[in-house]
Amino acid sequence: NAGVMQNPRHLVRRRGQEARLRCSPMKGHSHVYWYRQLPEEGLKFMVYLQKENIIDESGMPKERFSAEFPKEGPSILRIQQVVRGDSAAYFCASSRDRGRQETQYFGPGTRLLVL
Amino acid sequence: KQEVTQIPAALSVPEGENLVLNCSFTDSAIYNLQWFRQDPGKGLTSLLLIQSSQREQTSGRLNASLDKSSGRSTLYIAASQPGDSATYLCAVIVDYKLSFGAGTTVTVRA
Repeated sequence: NAGVMQNPRHLVRRRGQEARLRCSPMKGHSHVYWYRQLPEEGLKFMVYLQKENIIDESGMPKERFSAEFPKEGPSILRIQQVVRGDSAAYFCASSRDRGRQETQYFGPGTRLLVL
Repeated sequence: KQEVTQIPAALSVPEGENLVLNCSFTDSAIYNLQWFRQDPGKGLTSLLLIQSSQREQTSGRLNASLDKSSGRSTLYIAASQPGDSATYLCAVIVDYKLSFGAGTTVTVRA
């Protein structure tokens, strides 16, 4: 039973390029969450998605960032025109449902470095 | 807005000593509280989840307590080993959102 998978594990981009981060939730999980860990800071919630729906994107920067979770395939976090301040570890988590008893399982993260 | 604080930020102990990691949060209206372990360059491993109605949870050498009224949780690790060296994160859960502390980095010296 594979856990949450994220790829790539490491991504290097130059300023102005686009970054696409992928997350495949655990089998049977239809709820996906993205978190960002900036250097020397704690993880911060970015966005919560269910299949084909964005439920809460209150933690997403207003510009350049978008997320999707299509009916088929992984969830994608897309960062357009990256800047150095986007360098961080981006973690994806998934859960089977959304109740208070549900545990979020985390992937290994994608480390983004913007040169 | 929920603020989660972990003290100390770093801790170094000799092997065999007991570890005490503290977590405080500002809003007591939480669903659950969860402790994670993060190894350098790796993801998060869930250690213990304490439901808001519980006072503590235990797993092996780990014991976590929760006092919602005072906004505190403590993670105890008994008889520390070098393999316990990692960053320990506390997260409070309200609905689906986890709010994390910045973590306590633990080094256990052999």
